[in-house]
Amino acid sequence: EAGVTQFPSHSVIEKGQTVTLRCDPISGHDNLYWYRRVMGKEIKFLLHFVKESKQDESGMPNNRFLAERTGGTYSTLKVQPAELEDSGVYFCASTRAGVLNEQFFGPGTRLTVL
Amino acid sequence: LAKTTQPISMDSYEGQEVNITCSHNNIATNDYITWYQQFPSQGPRFIIQGYKTKVTNEVASLFIPADRKSSTLSLPRVSLSDTAVYYCLVGDVGATNKLIFGTGTLLAVQP
Repeated sequence: EAGVTQFPSHSVIEKGQTVTLRCDPISGHDNLYWYRRVMGKEIKFLLHFVKESKQDESGMPNNRFLAERTGGTYSTLKVQPAELEDSGVYFCASTRAGVLNEQFFGPGTRLTVL
Repeated sequence: LAKTTQPISMDSYEGQEVNITCSHNNIATNDYITWYQQFPSQGPRFIIQGYKTKVTNEVASLFIPADRKSSTLSLPRVSLSDTAVYYCLVGDVGATNKLIFGTGTLLAVQP
């Protein structure tokens, strides 16, 4: 089966601009997660979707970040306006319903804000 | 969520068995222990998960003592391609299944 895909693989933008990251989970996976690693820090949870509903968004850093998953398929994560501290690698992961902790990660999107 | 402690880095040679130990003194009754592997420029990849005693799959073994305050990931006969960061995660697999990553252990396998 195809794995989790993310687009773009890299994005370089200027402070104040908007960027939208996309994640396509494995087909049939109801659970979709966003994580990110900023420079020198650990990978941090951002939020969790179950189908199209936000189950847990406790990790979202602030209201400049907006995640959507219309129709319960792919998800987008928009950063508007981007700040320097948003630079890092954004990972998406998905799991089937009821699977314990075995999350399938995408390759990540490396975001650089100048 | 239980905090985990693992070595920052380890070195090994090809063909050796590598054991990476993780401490999780505050593990709760409902917590599972999960290990992930991450190669450069890739997302983490699930390796193995357990609750108690021993779990083995085609990639690794996971040893968990009776008190569950630590766990050991065992990689048999490592190769150069096993060079990666290994994360030990502990958590309740409740509603969100969100993963809490620590700093991980960078395993460097040399020829």
